[in-house]
Amino acid sequence: GAGVSQSPSNKVTEKGKDVELRCDPISGHTALYWYRQSLGQGLEFLIYFQGNSAPDKSGLPSDRFSAERTGGSVSTLTIQRTQQEDSAVYLCASSSVGGQSYEQYFGPGTRLTVT
Amino acid sequence: GNSVTQMEGPVTLSEEAFLTINCTYTATGYPSLFWYVQYPGEGLQLLLKATKADDKGSNKGFEATYRKETTSFHLEKGSVQVSDSAVYFCALSDQGGSQGNLIFGKGTKLSVKP
Repeated sequence: GAGVSQSPSNKVTEKGKDVELRCDPISGHTALYWYRQSLGQGLEFLIYFQGNSAPDKSGLPSDRFSAERTGGSVSTLTIQRTQQEDSAVYLCASSSVGGQSYEQYFGPGTRLTVT
Repeated sequence: GNSVTQMEGPVTLSEEAFLTINCTYTATGYPSLFWYVQYPGEGLQLLLKATKADDKGSNKGFEATYRKETTSFHLEKGSVQVSDSAVYFCALSDQGGSQGNLIFGKGTKLSVKP
C-alpha cells in the first residue's frame, strides 16, 4: 500500500517568506509526527498529533513554527518569516497507534533551503 | 532529559567484515529502543527494535540487545554486504504512555567496500 507522502520534495525560499509543507500519512494511522533533520542538530522531534487530542508542540523551536492536522489525516507544517537556520529536511512519520513501542513510518522528507 | 549517544562515523568496512555500532542512552523511565536506517536516496525505515530490558531485536542479519545495566543498545552484524551501506540511527522513545516521539542519535554513516 501507499506509504507516507510529503510535498514538495524540495523547496527553496527567500529569507522572510512563509512556507507550507504537507504530509499525507498512511491511511488509518492515527498518530502523526513531524521531525527536522539538519547537519548541525541531527534529527529533532517537532510536533505530535494523536487522533482528536491536542497536539504535543513541545519540540517546536519557535513561535514561527505551527502545524495543523485536518480531519485526522493530512497535516501541514507552516514556517513563518523563514530564517537561514530553518534550512533542513523536514520529515513526517505516522504510526497506527501513538505509543512508545509502535513503529513509525517515515516519508521521504521535504528539503527546505532558505536563501 | 533523555538522550542518545552513538559512535561517530564514518565507518568504512570491507565486505564480510564484522560490524559494531555503539549506542548508549540516558532515560528516566523505561523507553523502547530502535535502530533506524537511511539508505542513499531513501527515507528512514525501522531496522529493529526492543521494548524491554534483555530483549534482542533482529532483522536482515542485524542484532541489538537492550542492556539496562549498561544503558546500551549496540548494533551488530556478523558479515556486512555492500548493500548495507547507509546511515544508521539509534533512537529511543520519549515519554511513556500514548506519545512515543523519538529521540535520535546523530547517526553513523557506514560504507562497505567490495
